[in-house]
Amino acid sequence: GQQVMQIPQYQHVQEGEDFTTYCNSSTTLSNIQWYKQRPGGHPVFLIQLVKSGEVKKQKRLTFQFGEAKKNSSLHITATQTTDVGTYFCAGPYAGNNRKLIWGLGTSLAVNP
Amino acid sequence: KAGVTQTPRYLIKTRGQQVTLSCSPISGHRSVSWYQQTPGQGLQFLFEYFSETQRNKGNFPGRFSGRQFSNSRSEMNVSTLELGDSALYLCASSAERSSYNEQFFGPGTRLTVL
Repeated sequence: GQQVMQIPQYQHVQEGEDFTTYCNSSTTLSNIQWYKQRPGGHPVFLIQLVKSGEVKKQKRLTFQFGEAKKNSSLHITATQTTDVGTYFCAGPYAGNNRKLIWGLGTSLAVNP
Repeated sequence: KAGVTQTPRYLIKTRGQQVTLSCSPISGHRSVSWYQQTPGQGLQFLFEYFSETQRNKGNFPGRFSGRQFSNSRSEMNVSTLELGDSALYLCASSAERSSYNEQFFGPGTRLTVL
């Protein structure tokens, strides 16, 4: 069946280091969304990418959507302790924009 | 605007019992989705309701059901609880836009089945 995989599962960095998480889909996606969940919290929407090869930036966060629309990445420059949490990618089930399939997330820990 | 609210926040039940969870979406949002979150399986889509109709369904057994009311509030019911149903149940609402499906999540209901 359709799958969305994220790597790595965990990442531990020193504050100030960069961080990247990768998301790979078994099928072409019409769009991909990224969410952040703080420990004990709920997922919060970060961004949606729609176009092939799209790159979007939010301050220290850079999001990319692959040319084939089957993979995506989130890169954080110079991590801060406020970046701690789990980052999820999610894409629509085959052709159904209202039903999302989620990666298992990448948990980021930042040492001050 | 007030965010998505869910009640109760915590529940402890025993096997075989049933449970009802409630979700109030953001005002004006008519789409409500439910998810089950567990450490091993991540976020699993349960179902989506729109205008009181179940529009999409995930791969969960029939013990999991839901409904939506005319004010867009939604309830989710799990009957004959099993130990494996212990999870964080998240509700998310979204506005009805053609290709944009940003989900706004509530704080979740933490269900523990003993």
